[in-house]
Amino acid sequence: AQSVTQLDSQVPVFEEAPVELRCNYSSSVSVYLFWYVQYPNQGLQLLLKYLSGSTLVKGINGFEAEFNKSQTSFHLRKPSVHISDTAEYFCAVSENYGQNFVFGPGTRLSVLP
Amino acid sequence: EAGVAQSPRYKIIEKRQSVAFWCNPISGHATLYWYQQILGQGPKLLIQFQNNGVVDDSQLPKDRFSAERLKGVDSTLKIQPAKLEDSAVYLCASSFRGSSRGNEQFFGPGTRLTVL
Repeated sequence: AQSVTQLDSQVPVFEEAPVELRCNYSSSVSVYLFWYVQYPNQGLQLLLKYLSGSTLVKGINGFEAEFNKSQTSFHLRKPSVHISDTAEYFCAVSENYGQNFVFGPGTRLSVLP
Repeated sequence: EAGVAQSPRYKIIEKRQSVAFWCNPISGHATLYWYQQILGQGPKLLIQFQNNGVVDDSQLPKDRFSAERLKGVDSTLKIQPAKLEDSAVYLCASSFRGSSRGNEQFFGPGTRLTVL
């Protein structure tokens, strides 16, 4: 069974600074990788996903992530954050065409003025 | 298109009582998921339906939790009897099953359950 690790439970960063949220996974088969965002009191929203092809994936709101198979990582980055990016970010992995969907524990991003 | 609908949004019950949550997925989505999200944790999959059949319920506590999707559209998740540790947000999600889309899931707003 696969698993997801998000090493940073909380990441504070100043507005307009760059940010990287780390995600590592383990799986014995090929996987699909996702980043979801959860704003306060709202449901989860897909930021971006990696299915195949280019390892650099661009998503909504200026976020991007890079799939690194050798390091089994899928880190999320944004070059300049805004106050509105304050939220909980979840990395997720699935295998076998969407079976066994597993979320990481989440990283709380706090953007400070 | 309309999103995933869930009701109620909030529910407070006492331990040993029963509770039910309802979910209506996005029209045309064959796959429906129920997740439990305990405060400070990532969502944990409880059950996954493909149309009206169960694909995965390995993490569903079957002694107290049950779920059904009788007509392959909306779904109900029930807890009977509830325990204190069931306090969580229960999320419903749906997806259009297709490998080219990587099974992207669309989430509802969730039902926040408090068990006293």
